[in-house]
Parts: sequence; structure tokens; C-alpha cells
Amino acid sequence: GQNIDQPTEMTATEGAIVQINCTYQTSGFNGLFWYQQHAGEAPTFLSYNVLDGLEEKGRFSSFLSRSKGYSYLLLKELQMKDSASYLCASLDSNYQLIWGAGTKLIIKP
Amino acid sequence: EADIYQTPRYLVIGTGKKITLECSQTMGHDKMYWYQQDPGMELHLIHYSYGVNSTEKGDLSSESTVSRIRTEHFPLTLESARPSHTSQYLCASSELREDPINEQFFGPGTRLTVL
Repeated sequence: GQNIDQPTEMTATEGAIVQINCTYQTSGFNGLFWYQQHAGEAPTFLSYNVLDGLEEKGRFSSFLSRSKGYSYLLLKELQMKDSASYLCASLDSNYQLIWGAGTKLIIKP
Repeated sequence: EADIYQTPRYLVIGTGKKITLECSQTMGHDKMYWYQQDPGMELHLIHYSYGVNSTEKGDLSSESTVSRIRTEHFPLTLESARPSHTSQYLCASSELREDPINEQFFGPGTRLTVL
């Protein structure tokens, strides 16, 4: 079966660093996406990894290990506006996205 | 400005009604998708389309239908709404190319409540 696992909720402090983990098991693999979704809004694209390693984009970085079926999203210098759900999604062999349930990130002052 | 639109944004209807959720995009994307998402839960693919006259079923398609007569328009129809259909419905689009990235752009969603 296809499965995406990520923590349900995490709490962090403004200005700190947080790492959100994701493990995936899908039929084939064509890349790993991270999306951000604020409450009541649509998801917006954050990152895409298809090769092993770290991709850095400003305060956000995403890491992929294909051999371990593992990815993480690293958020630095947290701001209150980063409070949102972070969705991990794997692109399977049919180029369909398999979505995780999301990790709700709560930022405290 | 290229974008993806959904109407209505909110809808409250009674059981048994037929409803159509509208989705339009101005990005010229070939692929379009409909997802259902309950609060705190993952997105479930209902239907998708590779282009005009193409429609495919996803995980939760059995109680709805879609059509793709024009590239920019991908409406979703529920023939007989039930309380179990209460959810948020998200429309998305992407380019047809499959390599290296297939980023999906999402509309603002329709929050449906069936009484």
C-alpha cells in the first residue's frame, strides 16, 4: 500500500528552528513535495526534491533520502506567520501525488 | 494575472440536491484535479483530467462526476448531496509535463455543508 507518515502537530518558539519529518512508501517514486497550508486556505508549494540531499530556499530547506524513504522540512528563524499545516506528498510511478495528513505547526512568542 | 478560481466559496444545501462546483484556471494548464479534504486530514483525489475530453477517477469518485469540455474549466457535480459530502473541495491544476517537477496550483476551495 501507499503511505505517508508525518507528525500530527508540533510546537516551536518564534525565532527558533524546527524540523518536520516525513516518511513515505509509494508505488514508485518521482519526487517529494512540501506544501504549506494556512487554516481555511489552499495549499501552496514550498519545495520539491527528487535527488538525495538538501535543497535550501531562504529560511526553508528540504532534505531527501531515497534509500530511507525519508524527507524533512527545516524552518529557520521562525515567524508567527509560519503557523500553518505542512503537507508532505510523494509523486508515485503514475505521477499522482500521495498526500500525508499534514503537520500542524504552532508558533509561540 | 494567471490564477485558479472556484465558486461558490461556501455552500449550504439540503440532502438530495444536485450541485455543481465550478473551477476555472487561466494558466493554460492541461492537468486539473479535484480533491476532498476534511479538517486536519489528507487530501483525497476525487477526479483528474489530462486535458480536454479526458477524465479519470481518483480514490473517492463514486458519487460525483466531472467534465472537461474546455481546457480552463473543470466542474464537479454531485447528483444527490448527502451529509457525508460535507467537506472542503479543492481544485488544482498543473502542467502536463512529468519531469522534473509537476507543481500543482490550488484554488481557494469550496466549503460544502449538506444538511
